[in-house]
Amino acid sequence: DIQMTQSPSSLSASIGDRVTITCRASQSISSYLNWYKQQPGKAPVLLIYAASSLQRGVPSRFSGSGSGTDFTLTISNLQPEDFVTYYCQESYSTPQATFGQGTKLEIK
Amino acid sequence: QQQLQESGPGLVKPSETLSLTCNVSGGSINSDSDYWGWIRQSPGKGLEWIGSFDYSGSTYSNPSLRSRVTIFIDTSRTHFSLKLNSVTAADTAVYYCARSTGSPGPGNRYYYGLDLWGPGTTVTVSS
Repeated sequence: DIQMTQSPSSLSASIGDRVTITCRASQSISSYLNWYKQQPGKAPVLLIYAASSLQRGVPSRFSGSGSGTDFTLTISNLQPEDFVTYYCQESYSTPQATFGQGTKLEIK
Repeated sequence: QQQLQESGPGLVKPSETLSLTCNVSGGSINSDSDYWGWIRQSPGKGLEWIGSFDYSGSTYSNPSLRSRVTIFIDTSRTHFSLKLNSVTAADTAVYYCARSTGSPGPGNRYYYGLDLWGPGTTVTVSS
């Protein structure tokens, strides 16, 4: 099974900052990597699929990159609603899905 | 526009069977390129895929749960269900139903993303 490791597990930043979250797969998954955000008490929301494709309706301050085993999610010009938890998920094994452990973005 | 809504008991006794239903509104399950299934999230923990099915009715489940999981679709194709038997406290979680939609990728492959989720339902296993 593919294992997904996210880092850091938590991150502090200020409004307007740019942050990067990393996700590493235990084996090559090409570009089969998705990113989600999750507000407390809500379901996750798909932000990016295929490592770098922005889901419809997602602001352009979100971007993704990477391929193989190493991926990044970058959020530019942080807004108040961005301070939530982010998860990566490999879609190489679809329909099976493995998620990273999450990165909680906190306001400094 | 499709929406999902989970329903079922919020409290299940240990060793009994957890049964949940996902109602699909705004259209039936009729795309042969989508997967539909269940994901759970234990308190304070991450997301765990439970299992899915495709348009043909083929089912797939997490190897760690496979012996206890049954997923099936209603003949109307507007509801699908999860049964998880022999539950323990470790099965206490928020359970989500979700759709995975594919976008064309290289060769005959698709890039799938979980683009539609229900709001989730909390299930507690306790006597």
